[in-house]
Amino acid sequence: KAGVTQTPRYLIKTRGQQVTLSCSPISGHRSVSWYQQTPGQGLQFLFEYFSETQRNKGNFPGRFSGRQFSNSRSEMNVSTLELGDSALYLCASSFSPGDSYGYTFGSGTRLTVV
Amino acid sequence: GQQVMQIPQYQHVQEGEDFTTYCNSSTTLSNIQWYKQRPGGHPVFLIQLVKSGEVKKQKRLTFQFGEAKKNSSLHITATQTTDVGTYFCAGTNQAGTALIFGKGTTLSVSS
Repeated sequence: KAGVTQTPRYLIKTRGQQVTLSCSPISGHRSVSWYQQTPGQGLQFLFEYFSETQRNKGNFPGRFSGRQFSNSRSEMNVSTLELGDSALYLCASSFSPGDSYGYTFGSGTRLTVV
Repeated sequence: GQQVMQIPQYQHVQEGEDFTTYCNSSTTLSNIQWYKQRPGGHPVFLIQLVKSGEVKKQKRLTFQFGEAKKNSSLHITATQTTDVGTYFCAGTNQAGTALIFGKGTTLSVSS
């Protein structure tokens, strides 16, 4: 079966611009979580969505937002980009929050802000 | 908020040596999961532990969940070069928060 698909894979943006990242979960998975991964900081939690509702939100500024559609696909948006937003953004899906089968991660979107 | 800490941050071993990484949470966990991320890859789910004192094995990997459900460990016996990568623990607390990851332990193995 198809895995978690994240697009685009790579992105270069200029400081001050905004960006939208997309995540298509595994078919049947209704829970989608987003993480920011940077060297030394590990995976920092951004958002968790289940059935189009934001269930949890991490400690990130309001410039970071997200949403989930009725087909479980999810997008995250970062406005007014800063150099520090350069990171690998990972999306993970599961059947439901806390699924005992764990999360399946996509390959990520590598965002570079210049 | 909930914090998950992992030690050590880095570990280098000779092939055939054992390896252990430890995970500690600031709050009591509902469950703990372990993931492995190979260099250049994305995290891959290894296992979930739910019960207090639970021990699970996957070939050379042994996972433990502490009695108080606030700590966990992953032990690899007789490491191989294929074990190279970063091992993350991740937990949710009993209030149903999101899955929070530790910063990981990066294992390197020389033959």
